[in-house]
Amino acid sequence: DVVLTQSPLSLPVTLGQPASISCRSSQSLVYSDGNTYLNWFQQRPGQSPRRLIYKVSNRDSGVPDRFSGSGSGTDFTLKISRVEAEDLGVYYCMHGTHWPPGYSFGQGTKLEIK
Amino acid sequence: QVQLVQSGAEVKKPGASVKVSCKASGYTFTHFGITWVRLAPGQGLEWMGWISVYNGNTNYAQNLEGRVSLTTDTSTTTAFMELRRLSSDDTAIYYCARDSMGGTANIDFWGQGTLVTVSS
Repeated sequence: DVVLTQSPLSLPVTLGQPASISCRSSQSLVYSDGNTYLNWFQQRPGQSPRRLIYKVSNRDSGVPDRFSGSGSGTDFTLKISRVEAEDLGVYYCMHGTHWPPGYSFGQGTKLEIK
Repeated sequence: QVQLVQSGAEVKKPGASVKVSCKASGYTFTHFGITWVRLAPGQGLEWMGWISVYNGNTNYAQNLEGRVSLTTDTSTTTAFMELRRLSSDDTAIYYCARDSMGGTANIDFWGQGTLVTVSS
């Protein structure tokens, strides 16, 4: 099974400062079609999750450009260049494919104000 | 615009079953799949399973295999998640989300969530 390990699990930040979340996979996430289906989701308190990044580094429509994704193989990173108050919440990396067993989520990283 | 509207909150007793619906609109229902995810109190997101609306193919999380069933009704563009033999561990918010037809975690739109509480 693919296991995604996020770090840190808690990330106190100062508004206006950068933040970075790591997601490491137990095996390579490169799929047979050459793509890497690694996504990043944000979940604000009381809201449904929202996808920020798909296929490692592609930002979804409407996502501010302060969010960026990078990485390859087994190591991936979500970066926020300058944290704003609306960015508070829990961030998850998530992988698709590799049936079975199916999709995997990281444990989540809670971004909070320092 | 794409919308996924889920059914309302449920309260169930241990051992019972629950069926949550997810009404899709704003896109061609049969061209996509539906993924189900849950969020239990104090826990992280947990993937439950995926269904291809086109051909009904499914893939379930191994820890839920045998207790969960995903179905769709193309005539009403509605997806369903049924979970059987409920326990308190199944208390969670359940989400449906639009996914790719091929199951590559191309999850772009989410429902609002349905709270299922399991309590005696």
